[in-house]
Parts: sequence; C-alpha cells; structure tokens
Amino acid sequence: KAGVTQTPRYLIKTRGQQVTLSCSPISGHRSVSWYQQTPGQGLQFLFEYFSETQRNKGNFPGRFSGRQFSNSRSEMNVSTLELGDSALYLCASSLAGSRGEKLFFGSGTQLSVL
Amino acid sequence: GESVGLHLPTLSVQEGDNSIINCAYSNSASDYFIWYKQESGKGPQFIIDIRSNMDKRQGQRVTVLLNKTVKHLSLQIAATQPGDSAVYFCAEAAKFSGGYNKLIFGAGTRLAVHP
Repeated sequence: KAGVTQTPRYLIKTRGQQVTLSCSPISGHRSVSWYQQTPGQGLQFLFEYFSETQRNKGNFPGRFSGRQFSNSRSEMNVSTLELGDSALYLCASSLAGSRGEKLFFGSGTQLSVL
Repeated sequence: GESVGLHLPTLSVQEGDNSIINCAYSNSASDYFIWYKQESGKGPQFIIDIRSNMDKRQGQRVTVLLNKTVKHLSLQIAATQPGDSAVYFCAEAAKFSGGYNKLIFGAGTRLAVHP
C-alpha cells in the first residue's frame, strides 16, 4: 500500500508569489491534515479536511487555504508569500480523522521563500 | 526537512543502552498522546500512543509512561540502536477539537546513538 505522497518535494518561490502544494493520502483514507514545520515554531496544525469539507483550522492567516477533492486528494495554497512562510509543509492522512486514529505523514514539501 | 530541529535538546546514548525521552504537555484536558520519530528528510513516523485511562503502554522495544498528575510523558527505548537516531516528538490530541485529529506537538528531542 502506497504511503502519503506529497509533491513537489522542494519548492523555491519569491515574496509575493503564491504556491500550491499537493497531497495524495493513503488509499481508503478520507481525512487529510496539513501541518507546518519550522525550526522556531515546530509542528503546527494548519487545517483538516474530510469529505471535501474543512472541519478544523489552526491559527494561521487567511493567506493559507486548502481544499479536498472527491478522491480525497488535497491541495493547500499560500498566497502573497512572506519570508516567514519558509517551512516544511507536511500532509497527514487517516481513515476518518477521529481522535485516536493514527496519522500517517508524508515526507513533506520543503518551501523556501526568497 | 534538513533545517528542522537546529536548536533541539539532544540526548546522546551509547548503542545498547536504554534511552528515556521526556515531554511535558500543557493541556490537562488532553486525553490522547502519541510519540513520533522523524528522521532527516522524512515526515514523522508513528511509534506508540497512549490514552489517558492508562499510565503505561508497551510496544516493541518501546514503552510510554504517562503521569497525568504532573502532565508528563516519557518514551523509553530499550537497547538503543544506531537506527533509532532521529528527532522524537510527543503530541497530544486537543480535546477541544472535537472528534478530529488536531495534534499539538512538543518541541522535540534529538536522539544521537553512538557506537
């Protein structure tokens, strides 16, 4: 069974641009969560999707958005990039997103904003 | 990623020794806790979890201890191997998030295993 797949693996953008990251969950998993990882703030929850609906959102500005498609694949978008958005963006999937379910993480997309 | 965890506390152990990694959590209402291992260039990998109705749980070479009185979690790794070298994170499931898996992660501890 394939794991969580994130593309691209690395991305370099400049300030003011926007970026879209993609995540394919494990087959059969319907919940997709996104996390931002930085050396200073650690791992922080961005949002969670289930059946194409955002069910939960972390404390990030509106520049961070996401969506989920009917096949459970998800994308996250960051508009008007800032230097501080440089981070590893991790996607995780689980069967239904219930508390207590194991989360399976992808290897992440390393975003560098110049 | 490669830039993660530049200033993390580091635990250095000899191969074959037991390792104990500690974590203090903040929310007394959290009732589900998980330990993850993250190797360089990879995403976090599930190790073991524990619910608040337990104070100890064992897996293969790993044991998690939960002390709710002082809000403390620990991960014990028996007979530590070079392949255990990684950054270890504890995480708690925020009860206020309802039924959804919104995890709050600790800062992480780097485990360095020396031959």
